[in-house]
Amino acid sequence: EDKVVQSPLSLVVHEGDTVTLNCSYEVTNFRSLLWYKQEKKAPTFLFMLTSSGIEKKSGRLSSILDKKELFSILNITATQTGDSAVYLCAVHLLSGYSTLTFGKGTMLLVSP
Amino acid sequence: GAVVSQHPSWVICKSGTSVKIECRSLDFQATTMFWYRQFPKQSLMLMATSNEGSKATYEQGVEKDKFLINHASLTLSTLTVTSAHPEDSSFYICSTSGRVAYEQYFGPGTRLTVT
Repeated sequence: EDKVVQSPLSLVVHEGDTVTLNCSYEVTNFRSLLWYKQEKKAPTFLFMLTSSGIEKKSGRLSSILDKKELFSILNITATQTGDSAVYLCAVHLLSGYSTLTFGKGTMLLVSP
Repeated sequence: GAVVSQHPSWVICKSGTSVKIECRSLDFQATTMFWYRQFPKQSLMLMATSNEGSKATYEQGVEKDKFLINHASLTLSTLTVTSAHPEDSSFYICSTSGRVAYEQYFGPGTRLTVT
């Protein structure tokens, strides 16, 4: 059975801190790994990773994939209260459809 | 990315009634749409894959006779929750498969509360 595991499940930090969110996976037919940010509504896309060792960066957020060890990390530097959200990791499988298998998410709370 | 809308954004219904949720791809012809369900503090769980002009493919454990999916056009898929029960209360999100295979564009979601 395909599995995506995120850790920690929840995290509270102070503004300005740096956080690292983890995502490990055990799937067959891996195509790519995606990170999403979910606030009160549907998830919004952050990154897609397909190759090991290549960091994707967007502002204070960055992510990298290790296909040998089957995990990815999402880093957020200089956190702000607006970063408070659930961060979802999903794995896209090679299949006839564009199906995604999601992890349970990490709930991040950034306190002022 | 593609713009996806859902209607209604929230709905309250009585136990035993049916509720229809619409998912529209506003600027893109979506041959494939996905329906997810998310319970509080849990992740998105894929319910079914909806293909235009054919029957939906349901994930294991999802009752196809309870969650009726119709994908009659390239821009509209509907999910009907029949004979709703309080345990069906959840956040239902649709997404479309994008122009590139790995892309999915999510709708804003519909919060269903069954009383």
